[in-house]
Amino acid sequence: DAGVIQSPRHEVTEMGQEVTLRCKPISGHDYLFWYRQTMMRGLELLIYFNNNVPIDDSGMPEDRFSAKMPNASFSTLKIQPSEPRDSAVYFCASSSSLGDWYGYTFGSGTRLTVV
Amino acid sequence: GDSVTQMEGPVTLSEEACLTINCTYTATGYPSLFWYVQYPGEGLQLLLKATKADDKGSNKGFEATYRKETTSFHLEKGSVQVSDSAVYFCALSDRNQGGSEKLVFGKGTKLTVNP
Repeated sequence: DAGVIQSPRHEVTEMGQEVTLRCKPISGHDYLFWYRQTMMRGLELLIYFNNNVPIDDSGMPEDRFSAKMPNASFSTLKIQPSEPRDSAVYFCASSSSLGDWYGYTFGSGTRLTVV
Repeated sequence: GDSVTQMEGPVTLSEEACLTINCTYTATGYPSLFWYVQYPGEGLQLLLKATKADDKGSNKGFEATYRKETTSFHLEKGSVQVSDSAVYFCALSDRNQGGSEKLVFGKGTKLTVNP
């Protein structure tokens, strides 16, 4: 298995532009999580899905952020409009509710810079 | 609610020194406990886990023992290498007690090992 795949690895955009981050979870995993990591705040859970349905989006900072999971193999996190304070590394992770649980498998992250 | 407290970093050691990173938790019952490691520029990877009291998780020379009486899960290694330089995260989950799939992470401890 190729693991959790995120794209792009790096994104530089201007303030006010729309940004879309993408994630492909591990095949067969039924949970998907979006995290944001910054030096100041550490690792923050933004939203997570179960079987493509959003379960908890209480960590989404504001209405500028939205996430979708149209099918079991794809999710997006969109920021519109982007602001410099959104600069961070965004991680996607997936897990399976079946069998022994080993926590999450994380992707390599997308480093977002908003200038 | 559930929480995890890790020792503040950064931690700087010389190669072959002993390592201990303290982790204590607050949770009801018997959560599962994890250590994740994040190498520079990468996502978090599961290092080891323990699912019940007195369990010892081990991997790559690292060990941690689930201590219910002290609500602790300290990470130890007898002889660190330069390649161990990374950020280490302690985490817990009450999934095995019917809780959610959410992992609760500590703030992370940065370890630098010098040659």
